[in-house]
Amino acid sequence: QKEVEQDPGPLSVPEGAIVSLNCTYSNSAFQYFMWYRQYSRKGPELLMYTYSSGNKEDGRFTAQVDKSSKYISLFIRDSQPSDSATYLCAMSATGYSSASKIIFGSGTRLSIRP
Amino acid sequence: DSGVTQTPKHLITATGQRVTLRCSPRSGDLSVYWYQQSLDQGLQFLIQYYNGEERAKGNILERFSAQQFPDLHSELNLSSLELGDSALYFCASSVSPGPGNTIYFGEGSWLTVV
Repeated sequence: QKEVEQDPGPLSVPEGAIVSLNCTYSNSAFQYFMWYRQYSRKGPELLMYTYSSGNKEDGRFTAQVDKSSKYISLFIRDSQPSDSATYLCAMSATGYSSASKIIFGSGTRLSIRP
Repeated sequence: DSGVTQTPKHLITATGQRVTLRCSPRSGDLSVYWYQQSLDQGLQFLIQYYNGEERAKGNILERFSAQQFPDLHSELNLSSLELGDSALYFCASSVSPGPGNTIYFGEGSWLTVV
């Protein structure tokens, strides 16, 4: 079993819909949770990060962490075609720039239909 | 544009051959990371350098080696290539390995081994 599980999709939704992307994990030591966005033929870019449990909001994006269920989510409100990308969750026990300790999900491919 | 430059963007080579991938980090970044991304394994951390010194090692094969030069650019050497080495190789950089420093990814080098 992988430490981080993520549904690969693809997920296709109409423009304006609310998108929910999720990951589950097995390592209870994870404290730092990240979401990366990767456009086709580009490198991943850090979208949001949270520490421990709770919610964090940034514009149309909300990251949610439920450590009791070992479950994290990324919500995208008012989705736009420009949000079409692969979204990777990532987590670490030691910080979001301790690259050797960051475990990535396999990514969910999201497509927003105009 | 993340500011991390990788060359070449695409590379096709035969099994048994050796290739070198090159990375120039963002201006001012001292830490360089190498990742491998494949469909079945997702994004895997290979190795990290900080100011010329190896800092952390991940799932890097013995056939692979890397170094960071005094001008901070880095090279990843892949030798005795196998079909399974076909993947997208990312370089990333950050100011330092410490917490709070975002990791910025380059656009990757596509390696196809035939």
